[in-house]
Amino acid sequence: KNQVEQSPQSLIILEGKNCTLQCNYTVSPFSNLRWYKQDTGRGPVSLTIMTFSENTKSNGRYTATLDADTKQSSLHITASQLSDSASYICVVSETDSSYKLIFGSGTRLLVRP
Amino acid sequence: DTEVTQTPKHLVMGMTNKKSLKCEQHMGHRAMYWYKQKAKKPPELMFVYSYEKLSINESVPSRFSPECPNSSLLNLHLHALQPEDSALYLCASSPRGHGYGNEQFFGPGTRLTVL
Repeated sequence: KNQVEQSPQSLIILEGKNCTLQCNYTVSPFSNLRWYKQDTGRGPVSLTIMTFSENTKSNGRYTATLDADTKQSSLHITASQLSDSASYICVVSETDSSYKLIFGSGTRLLVRP
Repeated sequence: DTEVTQTPKHLVMGMTNKKSLKCEQHMGHRAMYWYKQKAKKPPELMFVYSYEKLSINESVPSRFSPECPNSSLLNLHLHALQPEDSALYLCASSPRGHGYGNEQFFGPGTRLTVL
């Protein structure tokens, strides 16, 4: 069964600290993996999208990594800010011909002053 | 214009009401989607429109009725909803039509409460 699992479920860090969120997937065949940020009550906003051949991709203070062999991805947030408090969702596409996104349950991040 | 807009932001309705949710994009995207998201859960796909035609219905109850009047607009008509239908309803669009996996751009959502 195609699944996307994220850890931790929730995380609290102090402002200015770094953190890393994890995503493991069993989706096959794999097309691409995306990380979205979702503020409470708002729609998801894309942070990064990576295909099979990409190992790392950065978007400002966000850096995503992908290991297609172990089917693992991580999202590293550097110098966290209060506005980083949100849910971070890992989403995997099955193949390039699939409309369906397989969502992880997300990691809820709280950044405290 | 590089965003997906949704109206209204919030909607409260009774079980006998008829209401509609609206989604709009002006990015020339050819596929549009409706998702339902309950609190602390990932979004669940409801409908996919590709080139203005309904291509996917994920066994959604008939009290939800989608409509795509043109390539930029997507509506979701609501009738005789149940309290358990209360959720965040998300619209998304993607550049290519259904059958081509490509990045989906999400709107801000409509928070629906059914009393």
